[in-house]
Amino acid sequence: AQKVTQAQTEISVVEKEDVTLDCVYETRDTTYYLFWYKQPPSGELVFLIRRNSFDEQNEISGRYSWNFQKSTSSFNFTITASQVVDSAVYFCALSGRTDSWGKLQFGAGTQVVVTP
Amino acid sequence: EAQVTQNPRYLITVTGKKLTVTCSQNMNHEYMSWYRQDPGLGLRQIYYSMNVEVTDKGDVPEGYKVSRKEKRNFPLILESPSPNQTSLYFCASSSPERSYEQYFGPGTRLTVT
Repeated sequence: AQKVTQAQTEISVVEKEDVTLDCVYETRDTTYYLFWYKQPPSGELVFLIRRNSFDEQNEISGRYSWNFQKSTSSFNFTITASQVVDSAVYFCALSGRTDSWGKLQFGAGTQVVVTP
Repeated sequence: EAQVTQNPRYLITVTGKKLTVTCSQNMNHEYMSWYRQDPGLGLRQIYYSMNVEVTDKGDVPEGYKVSRKEKRNFPLILESPSPNQTSLYFCASSSPERSYEQYFGPGTRLTVT
């Protein structure tokens, strides 16, 4: 079965500091997708990024960047120069053929608190 | 506007009183799912559907029923709700064309007393 582990339950930073969220996954699939979602205090789930297992190129999108390493089964996410609006719960998730493409296996989430 | 809608958004009910939470998507997605979110546990899948009349259990299906008679709708039925089903519920849809990125509804907060 697939598994996603987010070992950090809560991270507190002061505005403008960088925040890195860790995600480690387990899967037997050779083809899979990894996602990060954000859940602000209002409760909705907001899609942030998607990576497929064949694309290990790391990218930067605005203040967000991610580091995908298949060798260590990690998909870490960084917020640069954090802002108060970044305060939210962040979920890492995995989708693969074994469990079904229609299923997302979520980690437990990391609460990010950004103080002014 | 592409969206997933859920109704009701908030519901307080009593143990044993049957209820249905509706979910509808306007993106013609093949896949639809229901998740529940509980503190410290993240989101766990209850049921999912790969297309009309095709459904399968997720990780926590006990106490729930679903049906997929139309592609756009995927209602969640609690035949006899119990207090341990108090949770935040999300419906989602996805498609291979979007690499299975799941589009989520706004959530339904259910309280069973």
